[in-house]
Amino acid sequence: GAVVSQHPSRVICKSGTSVKIECRSLDFQATTMFWYRQFPKQSLMLMATSNEGSKATYEQGVEKDKFLINHASLTLSTLTVTSAHPEDSSFYICSARPRDRGIDTQYFGPGTRLTVL
Amino acid sequence: KQEVTQIPAALSVPEGENLVLNCSFTDSAIYNLQWFRQDPGKGLTSLLLIQSSQREQTSGRLNASLDKSSGRSTLYIAASQPGDSATYLCAVKYIQAGTALIFGKGTTLSVSS
Repeated sequence: GAVVSQHPSRVICKSGTSVKIECRSLDFQATTMFWYRQFPKQSLMLMATSNEGSKATYEQGVEKDKFLINHASLTLSTLTVTSAHPEDSSFYICSARPRDRGIDTQYFGPGTRLTVL
Repeated sequence: KQEVTQIPAALSVPEGENLVLNCSFTDSAIYNLQWFRQDPGKGLTSLLLIQSSQREQTSGRLNASLDKSSGRSTLYIAASQPGDSATYLCAVKYIQAGTALIFGKGTTLSVSS
């Protein structure tokens, strides 16, 4: 089956530092990858959509200069949280849409727990 | 505002019981609705996808229904098992939301043996 991995699974960092999270589709090519954020007891919220080779599309209220997304290949997208602050602590989940499946198909990664001290 | 609401937030049942999870949405103009399972430390797994033109979908012990006019969906789990313990998420793709999936907060199910 289609597998999406995320690295790291957990990260703790100091306030003001930058953190990079990787999302990889292991056995398929993904034309589109999505980044979500989930606060405790809250819904998953879409942050941005990225298509390989083009700039990401950010949802309203998400700062593109703070959450840098790079989708340089069909199997890798990265999310960099720049100058992280405690309020950025959250669970970040990516998903990937295979290039040879319908638009309703998304495979989700296991998530990355970010804690900013 | 396009929202998705799930009730109850948590549910505990003994093994073998049939149960129903509820999902409501605020706008009937949808492309589809999906039910996902989320396990701690693991990604989301898609359980059932119901297109706007469909009324229900079935997979094994799971049955999901869709009533657009009332803005409701239910996930029915038959003969629950401890392995069904997880958080179940309902997600709607609204026509006016583009490609975004709008998620509910989920129902955390615990099935005791």
